[in-house]
Amino acid sequence: EPEVTQTPSHQVTQMGQEVILRCVPISNHLYFYWYRQILGQKVEFLVSFYNNEISEKSEIFDDQFSVERPDGSNFTLKIRSTKLEDSAMYFCASSPLPGGSSDTQYFGPGTRLTVL
Amino acid sequence: AQSVTQLDSHVSVSEGTPVLLRCNYSSSYSPSLFWYVQHPNKGLQLLLKYTSAATLVKGINGFEAEFKKSETSFHLTKPSAHMSDAAEYFCVVMGYGGSQGNLIFGKGTKLSVKP
Repeated sequence: EPEVTQTPSHQVTQMGQEVILRCVPISNHLYFYWYRQILGQKVEFLVSFYNNEISEKSEIFDDQFSVERPDGSNFTLKIRSTKLEDSAMYFCASSPLPGGSSDTQYFGPGTRLTVL
Repeated sequence: AQSVTQLDSHVSVSEGTPVLLRCNYSSSYSPSLFWYVQHPNKGLQLLLKYTSAATLVKGINGFEAEFKKSETSFHLTKPSAHMSDAAEYFCVVMGYGGSQGNLIFGKGTKLSVKP
């Protein structure tokens, strides 16, 4: 069964450094998402992406964040200058259809980002 | 705005006994509701979804959930717990903030299953 994969599983970085989190969505999916979960808190929506552009973003997704689909398979989340509060589990998801009553978002296993 | 509230942060049951994980939702629209499960070191896996068809929704691994509009609830149940059901469960509602529909998660309920 096809699945969403994410690398690395755990990333440790120093405050102020740039990090890139990588995701490989399911191959025939068209819509891509990033969510994050700070320890002990809810999973929160960050951004959705379709047709090589951002469809929607939350208030969390400020100028420090960017997303890219550099080739036909990868979907990346870049944090330009990490802060302590960026420490969280980051989940990538993909879906074949746009948001609506019939779609399902398929999630990867997550990347745990630790900012020191 | 849409939201979900999971009423229990932790539920513990014995193997072979029923499971009930409670979820209440708030939505101005007819909601799309989901239950996802996360096993340790695994991704979020869809258990089932409600999309305004039948109010009783059957999912994978023997789980089901009933949409009750009058109670704004979408509780997850299973008649008989198995050790492999131990995991974290998330009740989720689809937002209407954009055409692609971001998901709004509850805080999660950790299910423990005792032998």
